[in-house]
Amino acid sequence: GESVGLHLPTLSVQEGDNSIINCAYSNSASDYFIWYKQESGKGPQFIIDIRSNMDKRQGQRVTGLLNKTVKHLSLQIAATQPGDSAVYFCAENWYGATNKLIFGTGTLLAVQP
Amino acid sequence: GAVVSQHPSRVICKSGTSVKIECRSLDFQATTMFWYRQFPKKSLMLMATSNEGSKATYEQGVEKDKFLINHASLTLSTLTVTSAHPEDSSFYICSASSEADTQYFGPGTRLTVL
Repeated sequence: GESVGLHLPTLSVQEGDNSIINCAYSNSASDYFIWYKQESGKGPQFIIDIRSNMDKRQGQRVTGLLNKTVKHLSLQIAATQPGDSAVYFCAENWYGATNKLIFGTGTLLAVQP
Repeated sequence: GAVVSQHPSRVICKSGTSVKIECRSLDFQATTMFWYRQFPKKSLMLMATSNEGSKATYEQGVEKDKFLINHASLTLSTLTVTSAHPEDSSFYICSASSEADTQYFGPGTRLTVL
């Protein structure tokens, strides 16, 4: 069936470096994507969203990228900080009888001091 | 803005008892609320979608008589785990959405069934 998946389950970066978290989606009809950050024992926190009419969505220190040709999403985090350590999920908004989110498997971002 | 709360944050109960978890949107009206379940180091699994004033739509494989969902107002949805058993132990997370697409998540409820 359709699904959203991630290329890298764990990403380790040095503090101050830029991080890139990737995600592949398989439903070509999807037109809305969201990135969430989840810290241990907490609920997912909205980071940034991007619609299919965009290639790029710029946040304060984060950037969402969408390549519809290859059905690929990226989340870029500039100057990664220890507080960025968490699991990051991409999610695909699945339009049907009811709107629902299909979550990817998650990437653990570990920031080394 | 867009704050969602859950209560309780964690609960421990005996096998066979029922547990109710509340989800509230604090600063917006949520036309739709969602309930997810998450096992350790796993992704979120959607259990059901509820619209205010109507019956919840359950995902395939989720027992509607086991997981009772009520969405009585635009700011409150409840999930009741009936006759809980140890295999129901999990992290339950709700989210709320207004007419826009974005879902805002609650902090989660850790359920432990002894």
